[in-house]
Amino acid sequence: NAGVTQTPKFRILKIGQSMTLQCTQDMNHNYMYWYRQDPGMGLKLIYYSVGAGITDKGEVPNGYNVSRSTTEDFPLRLELAAPSQTSVYFCASSDQRGRETQYFGPGTRLLVL
Amino acid sequence: GENVEQHPSTLSVQEGDSAVIKCTYSDSASNYFPWYKQELGKRPQLIIDIRSNVGEKKDQRIAVTLNKTAKHFSLHITETQPEDSAVYFCAALQGGSEKLVFGKGMKLTVNP
Repeated sequence: NAGVTQTPKFRILKIGQSMTLQCTQDMNHNYMYWYRQDPGMGLKLIYYSVGAGITDKGEVPNGYNVSRSTTEDFPLRLELAAPSQTSVYFCASSDQRGRETQYFGPGTRLLVL
Repeated sequence: GENVEQHPSTLSVQEGDSAVIKCTYSDSASNYFPWYKQELGKRPQLIIDIRSNVGEKKDQRIAVTLNKTAKHFSLHITETQPEDSAVYFCAALQGGSEKLVFGKGMKLTVNP
């Protein structure tokens, strides 16, 4: 299994541009999460999903959108990029039985200029 | 909501020493407390976890203790090695939800 994969690894955006961060897992996990990690800070939850078709806001959802049309994929959309969204974004997943244990993807480093 | 505080923010030890990282949480309904290790430029990886019905858990050189009354939990690393150098995050599962709340992390440096 590849586990949790994310693309792209790194991206530079101009202010006002939009982009989608991709996240895919091949472990048939129901639960998926998006976090952002700012320098010297912990991980903050942006959005999460408990299954296909179900999403909910986390701690810092403003400026982001998500969708969950399949079990495998959980893309994160930035509509109007702002410098405050410069961060490292991690996707994670967990299964139904051990849902507390989250497995993280390699991360996407985003720079908004 | 849940608030997790972690201290110290940095710790430097000599190889072979022990290291202790402490976290406090605010939500008495929280019932799951994982610890993640993140090496520079890498993803966070779970190293150990503890549930609220257990007071202590050990896995080789690492152990975690939980004091529910005081609402704090700690990570203990014995016989530290240079490869233990990383940022360590504690977290708490917010009661009644699917949300993990993370501390800000502690950078551990193990000097050879």
